[in-house]
Order: sequence, then structure tokens, then C-alpha cells
Amino acid sequence: GDSVTQMEGPVTLSEEAFLTINCTYTATGYPSLFWYVQYPGEGLQLLLKATKADDKGSNKGFEATYRKETTSFHLEKGSVQVSDSAVYFCALGEDNYGQNFVFGPGTRLSVLP
Amino acid sequence: KAGVTQTPRYLIKTRGQQVTLSCSPISGHRSVSWYQQTPGQGLQFLFEYFSETQRNKGNFPGRFSGRQFSNSRSEMNVSTLELGDSALYLCASTPRAGGSDEQYFGPGTRLTVT
Repeated sequence: GDSVTQMEGPVTLSEEAFLTINCTYTATGYPSLFWYVQYPGEGLQLLLKATKADDKGSNKGFEATYRKETTSFHLEKGSVQVSDSAVYFCALGEDNYGQNFVFGPGTRLSVLP
Repeated sequence: KAGVTQTPRYLIKTRGQQVTLSCSPISGHRSVSWYQQTPGQGLQFLFEYFSETQRNKGNFPGRFSGRQFSNSRSEMNVSTLELGDSALYLCASTPRAGGSDEQYFGPGTRLTVT
């Protein structure tokens, strides 16, 4: 079945550092890919998405490119802020008759001032 | 457009009791999915409902059940609560079922079982 793997956390960075959170996936078809963010005490919010190969999703300075050849969707940000501290989830969504949405385990990011 | 709402936000129950959680999807969304989130297991899929029918079910015991009403609102029920059922229960809605659309999440219901 479909699955998502992402780097284990926690990740601790200093403010203005470069961020990369790796995400790879296994899917039977051609899924859409997503990054969600969860702030303490809240539900998940969509951060960005890409629906086909080579698409780049971007939002709030975060970017991720759908790489079909490496089955990856790594999250990057050039300069993180303290307010980016949260848990980040990589996910895929695919049209099929099974569970159509699969999440990775999440990566906790802490940004220090 | 109002977002996904979940009630109650916080709940404390005793082992052996049962609990019902409610989710109202975004207006026009017909698919509702439920997830259990715990520190140890992460996000685990419980079930998905579309047009009042359970479309998919995750690997949870029969104590976990749900339903969806004609207005797309959904409830999930957990009977004979166990300590391990303490978790954040998240509801998400999408316009259609079986698709690769993004899911819109509610704030969750924090259930504590003592």
C-alpha cells in the first residue's frame, strides 16, 4: 500500500538558518503531495501542495518540488523564524478505493532565537 | 466560509465509559474522515464517510464506530473506553470522496481517559 517516510525529528535550528525536511513516498499511481503544519494545541493546516510531477508548491517562504524520479517531496525554507516552530507532516492523496490519504510520522521543528 | 468545527474541544472520561464526538464539515463538503493522533503512534486513520456511508475503515477495534448524517455532519463513538484511547481526535473534510484533494482539518477533540 501507499506510504510516506519523513526524516525523524526533532530538528533544532537557529533563527535564519536553512531548513530541509526530507520526505519520500511509495504509491501505486500518481498521487498529489502535501505538506501540513500543526502548531501546538491546533489541528493540521495545509502548508503547500503539488498535484503532478515537477510541480513546485510554495507558501510563506516554504517550497517543495514533486520529484517523481526520486519519489520525493522535500520541504525547504531559506530562513526560518521562531514562529515556524511546529510539527510538519508530509502526506499523499491518491484516487483509489483504499485509504486515499496517507500521512508521514511528522517532524518536530524547533527554531531558537 | 466557516471551517471544520469539532465539539467538544476537551473531554475527560473514565475507563469503561463511552463517548461521542461531533464534526461539522465545511459547507458543501460531503466527505468526512477521522484520525486519532497520539505521541507514540502519530496520525492514524480511523474511517471515512461519504454520503452517509462508511467508505473506508482503518485498523481499529469495533469499539470505534461512526456515522454521517444527511447534512454531512459526522459523529464518532468510542465504547468501553480504555486508557490508551486518550488522544487528539481530528476530523477532516473534503468536497468529494476517493479523491486526492487536500483535507481541511478541524481543531480536534482532546480526549483524556482516566
